[in-house]
Amino acid sequence: EAGVAQSPRYKIIEKRQSVAFWCNPISGHATLYWYQQILGQGPKLLIQFQNNGVVDDSQLPKDRFSAERLKGVDSTLKIQPAKLEDSAVYLCASSLAIRGRGGNEQFFGPGTRLTVL
Amino acid sequence: KNQVEQSPQSLIILEGKNCTLQCNYTVSPFSNLRWYKQDTGRGPVSLTIMTFSENTKSNGRYTATLDADTKQSSLHITASQLSDSASYICVVKGYQKVTFGTGTKLQVIP
Repeated sequence: EAGVAQSPRYKIIEKRQSVAFWCNPISGHATLYWYQQILGQGPKLLIQFQNNGVVDDSQLPKDRFSAERLKGVDSTLKIQPAKLEDSAVYLCASSLAIRGRGGNEQFFGPGTRLTVL
Repeated sequence: KNQVEQSPQSLIILEGKNCTLQCNYTVSPFSNLRWYKQDTGRGPVSLTIMTFSENTKSNGRYTATLDADTKQSSLHITASQLSDSASYICVVKGYQKVTFGTGTKLQVIP
């Protein structure tokens, strides 16, 4: 079974530039997550999709960050304009279901390491 | 506020030795608790999942414990190997949301 794919793996940009990340979740996974992981910290949820609908975007800096999952499969995360503090690894994860007490294990992609100069 | 705190922040041990990582949480209601291993440059991978009724669960050399009354969990690594060097993240799921800990960075040295 193919895992979660992300691209690019690395990106270096200057502040105030724009950047976009792409994620392809595991086939059949309805739930997709974008996380920001700053060096030395745990992942912080930015946005969570259930199919193509947003479930939680309470921690997404909406003045500069946007994400979409138009067809309920692939997703893109955009930052415009980037700031120095956006330097982090952006992780995409997917899971089968959101509700219930069951496993709903999240499977993570390798991440995109963003450096803002 | 839902929080997950892990200790120690970092740990260095000799190859072959055992170690225990701690996780304290305040998430309520509680659904389950996962321990993830994150190798450098990779995304986290689930090691174990603990539900309310489970006290201990093993996955090879990894053994997780859960005390739902005190809201504490531990991850015990037996006979550590160099490949165990990674960050270990405790993740607690409430009704719908998950809360990530900041992780413990483990380094196993020869």
